[in-house]
Amino acid sequence: GDSVTQMEGPVTLSEEAFLTINCTYTATGYPSLFWYVQYPGEGLQLLLKATKADDKGSNKGFEATYRKETTSFHLEKGSVQVSDSAVYFCALRTAGGGNKLTFGTGTQLKVEL
Amino acid sequence: DVKVTQSSRYLVKRTGEKVFLECVQDMDHENMFWYRQDPGLGLRLIYFSYDVKMKEKGDIPEGYSVSREKKERFSLILESASTNQTSMYLCASSNQDGSFQPQHFGDGTRLSIL
Repeated sequence: GDSVTQMEGPVTLSEEAFLTINCTYTATGYPSLFWYVQYPGEGLQLLLKATKADDKGSNKGFEATYRKETTSFHLEKGSVQVSDSAVYFCALRTAGGGNKLTFGTGTQLKVEL
Repeated sequence: DVKVTQSSRYLVKRTGEKVFLECVQDMDHENMFWYRQDPGLGLRLIYFSYDVKMKEKGDIPEGYSVSREKKERFSLILESASTNQTSMYLCASSNQDGSFQPQHFGDGTRLSIL
């Protein structure tokens, strides 16, 4: 079945550091890929998405490129802020009804001054 | 903006009780979902619904049921609550297939079963 693997957290960085959160997937067909973010005490929000190979999703300074050859969708940001502290979830959607998503286990990011 | 509202942020119930978690969305979405979120396990799909009165099991439906009598409302029911159902429950909604539509999430209900 489909699955998503994320690097374990927590990831602790100083403000303005470079961020990478790794995500790899296993799926049949050609899934759409997503990053969701969950700020403390809130539900998940869509951060960015990519729907086909070599697409780059971007939002709020975050980027991720759909790499079909390595089945990866790593999240990057050039300079993190304290306000980026949150849990980040990688997810995929495969073809089929219902718009169902398969999520990774989440990676907690802590950014310190 | 899409609004997905879960009826309670925190809920404490006792073992054996019948528990109802309510979710309402205001964007006329066809699809609605219930997940539970546990540390180290991410989000796991319990049930989803793609239309009124329609429901399908997700990955972990045991011990749960759902009801969708109106398009905007999707209820999760714990028939006889047990301590292993203590968790964060998240509701989401989305438009129907055809082109990609993101899932929109509520703020979650943290449920404790004593």
